[in-house]
Amino acid sequence: NAGVMQNPRHLVRRRGQEARLRCSPMKGHSHVYWYRQLPEEGLKFMVYLQKENIIDESGMPKERFSAEFPKEGPSILRIQQVVRGDSAAYFCASSPEQGLGQPQHFGDGTRLSIL
Amino acid sequence: GENVEQHPSTLSVQEGDSAVIKCTYSDSASNYFPWYKQELGKRPQLIIDIRSNVGEKKDQRIAVTLNKTAKHFSLHITETQPEDSAVYFCAASIGDYKLSFGAGTTVTVRA
Repeated sequence: NAGVMQNPRHLVRRRGQEARLRCSPMKGHSHVYWYRQLPEEGLKFMVYLQKENIIDESGMPKERFSAEFPKEGPSILRIQQVVRGDSAAYFCASSPEQGLGQPQHFGDGTRLSIL
Repeated sequence: GENVEQHPSTLSVQEGDSAVIKCTYSDSASNYFPWYKQELGKRPQLIIDIRSNVGEKKDQRIAVTLNKTAKHFSLHITETQPEDSAVYFCAASIGDYKLSFGAGTTVTVRA
């Protein structure tokens, strides 16, 4: 059973460009969570999605950041007009159901570097 | 919102000794407390979790204890080995699905 798949593993962008991060949940999982991790810090919740629905985006910056989880295909975290402060590791996690009856399993992350 | 504090931030132990990491949380409604291990450049991996209806849980060399009254929980690693060296994160649930993470503890096991 393949784990949570994220790509790319590393992404380099120049200031002002767009960054697209992809996450395919574990097979059978329908809940996706995005987290951001700054160097030597913990994981900060960004957004929780189910298929075609954003359930909670309280951790997302108000501007430039968006997320989707379409009916078909991976979840996408999009960052428009990137700035240096967006440099971080972005992790995706998935779980099979709400209520934390099942734990969240993480992908390998995307390390975003802004030049 | 939930605030999770984790101590110590770094921990160095001799191989074979025990390691203990402590976390406190603020939201009395939290009912799920996972621990993750993250090696350098890799994904956080769930190593053990505990729910609020249980006071202690053990899995081989790893154990977690929970004191709901005091709102703190701890990770205990016994007979530490070099491969236990990693960053360990505690987390507490917020509502039905969110997790609030501690800042992490860097554990170094000296051979």
